[in-house]
Amino acid sequence: EAGVTQFPSHSVIEKGQTVTLRCDPISGHDNLYWYRRVMGKEIKFLLHFVKESKQDESGMPNNRFLAERTGGTYSTLKVQPAELEDSGVYFCASSQKMGGLRTEAFFGQGTRLTVV
Amino acid sequence: SQQGEEDPQALSIQEGENATMNCSYKTSINNLQWYRQNSGRGLVHLILIRSNEREKHSGRLRVTLDTSKKSSSLLITASRAADTASYFCATVAYGNNRLAFGKGNQVVVIP
Repeated sequence: EAGVTQFPSHSVIEKGQTVTLRCDPISGHDNLYWYRRVMGKEIKFLLHFVKESKQDESGMPNNRFLAERTGGTYSTLKVQPAELEDSGVYFCASSQKMGGLRTEAFFGQGTRLTVV
Repeated sequence: SQQGEEDPQALSIQEGENATMNCSYKTSINNLQWYRQNSGRGLVHLILIRSNEREKHSGRLRVTLDTSKKSSSLLITASRAADTASYFCATVAYGNNRLAFGKGNQVVVIP
């Protein structure tokens, strides 16, 4: 079974440009999460989808970030326009259920975003 | 919001020795999980311990949870070079569907 896949693995863009990150969760996982780790700091929650609905987007830093999950399958995270402080590693994770019996989250390899 | 905080931040040990990491959190939790990240790769789930459990084992891993002290420890026994990685604890609160991560421990196992 394929794991959580993220694309691209690395992205280097100039300040002001737009970047779109993609995440393909494990098939059948309703829950999809985006996290971000800025250099030297902890991994921060961005948002949580249940199927195609945004369950919790309290971690999104500002309106330059837009996440979608059309059809409840893969998700995209768009940053427009990108700023220097957006640099970091963006992780996607999926799980069948959080807080219940099946609470393990499966993470992708992450997308390393560098804004120059 | 709750947040795991690992201690110590960096640990260097000889192969075969044991490695212990601690994590503290601030609020009531449903469960606590430990993840490992090898350099340049994604996070891998290691073990989950629920709030009503005190100790759990998985292979060479042993996790303890003390809810009265809001702390957890991860012990890796008989460490191997392949255990070199960053280790994160993360908590899940009741009524919450997300992981709250700590800053991570860097563990280096010297062959």
